[in-house]
Amino acid sequence: ILNVEQSPQSLHVQEGDSTNFTCSFPSSNFYALHWYRWETAKSPEALFVMTLNGDEKKKGRISATLNTKEGYSYLYIKGSQPEDSATYLCASHGSSNTGKLIFGQGTTLQVKP
Amino acid sequence: DAGVIQSPRHEVTEMGQEVTLRCKPISGHNSLFWYRQTMMRGLELLIYFNNNVPIDDSGMPEDRFSAKMPNASFSTLKIQPSEPRDSAVYFCASSFFGSGANVLTFGAGSRLTVL
Repeated sequence: ILNVEQSPQSLHVQEGDSTNFTCSFPSSNFYALHWYRWETAKSPEALFVMTLNGDEKKKGRISATLNTKEGYSYLYIKGSQPEDSATYLCASHGSSNTGKLIFGQGTTLQVKP
Repeated sequence: DAGVIQSPRHEVTEMGQEVTLRCKPISGHNSLFWYRQTMMRGLELLIYFNNNVPIDDSGMPEDRFSAKMPNASFSTLKIQPSEPRDSAVYFCASSFFGSGANVLTFGAGSRLTVL
């Protein structure tokens, strides 16, 4: 069973604060780690896909890092804005030969103006 | 491209009734996933297909649930008979697996309420 864990479960920050949250996943048979952003009443949308240890991806104020040896990824948001309020999901492949993608429970971010 | 299309968007039914949810994946995608979202378990993988073949259905809760993909452009998830605990949002997603990225594109979801 592939367990993908995210923490914290929820987070409330003030506009302008920087924040980060964690995704942990089994490091054995690692293939890829995904981050998705899920706004209320919408569908999850892909942010990043990372495959290499030490990988770092950036999109605007949002960035992510990957440590495949210890099985964790961090998502950072610099200078949070109210429009960043969403649930951030990470997902991991079970192994290299399968498309199976298992999601964590998500971290719900609320940014107060 | 219209994206992944799911129907119905909302379904309210009574316990014991059959429910069929439908999904049209993005043209050219070769993998299709059915997920269920609940408060307790988050986004839970039910089943996924690769090239129309079911690869892993270990997440299907029980025999009341079945899924088919008769061709590359259509899939159904059926619940028969439905129960109140099946109430959830069911998402279909598709991807092209083989390029390495396997980024999922989700449909808008089907919200099911079983009374």
